[in-house]
Amino acid sequence: KQEVTQIPAALSVPEGENLVLNCSFTDSAIYNLQWFRQDPGKGLTSLLLIQSSQREQTSGRLNASLDKSSGRSTLYIAASQPGDSATYLCAVRTGANNLFFGTGTRLTVIP
Amino acid sequence: GAVVSQHPSRVICKSGTSVKIECRSLDFQATTMFWYRQFPKKSLMLMATSNEGSKATYEQGVEKDKFLINHASLTLSTLTVTSAHPEDSSFYICSAFTGGDTQYFGPGTRLTVL
Repeated sequence: KQEVTQIPAALSVPEGENLVLNCSFTDSAIYNLQWFRQDPGKGLTSLLLIQSSQREQTSGRLNASLDKSSGRSTLYIAASQPGDSATYLCAVRTGANNLFFGTGTRLTVIP
Repeated sequence: GAVVSQHPSRVICKSGTSVKIECRSLDFQATTMFWYRQFPKKSLMLMATSNEGSKATYEQGVEKDKFLINHASLTLSTLTVTSAHPEDSSFYICSAFTGGDTQYFGPGTRLTVL
């Protein structure tokens, strides 16, 4: 069964700093990988989606990479802002059309 | 972008009562809808997958008689928590899948069972 792990579980950085969130998965047979943002008590907002054939995707200050063979993905956030504070979840899609979610990284950006 | 709504956003009920949560895709038709449960500071766990007009497929460990799922139309799925108990208190999130690459998530429903 696919297992998705995110490190660190929590991260606190000063405003303006660049940061990297890590995601690893045990089964490399994935269809795609997504990064989501979840604000407290709220649903999920999709940030980036990387197909299994792709290496990275970029959106504004966010860059996500995927190394499928090693079962790893990173989310890079440039010039962090207090508004970036949230929990970030990665999820991998298998052929069963299901998303397996990671445990999340809770990010706090300090003004 | 595609919008998925959930109602209610928050519900408090007494132990032993049943609670129904609605999930609607507002501007698209969803061939498949998923129901997830999220405990505090934990990740989302898939409870069941439902396709319009057919019975839901439940994940291992999820009681189908306790969590009744109905997907009567391409825009509406409901989750009914029957005879709710305090341990059922959680954040329930639905998502809709159109067959493309992306699932669209609802805003979630916070259930508190007293």
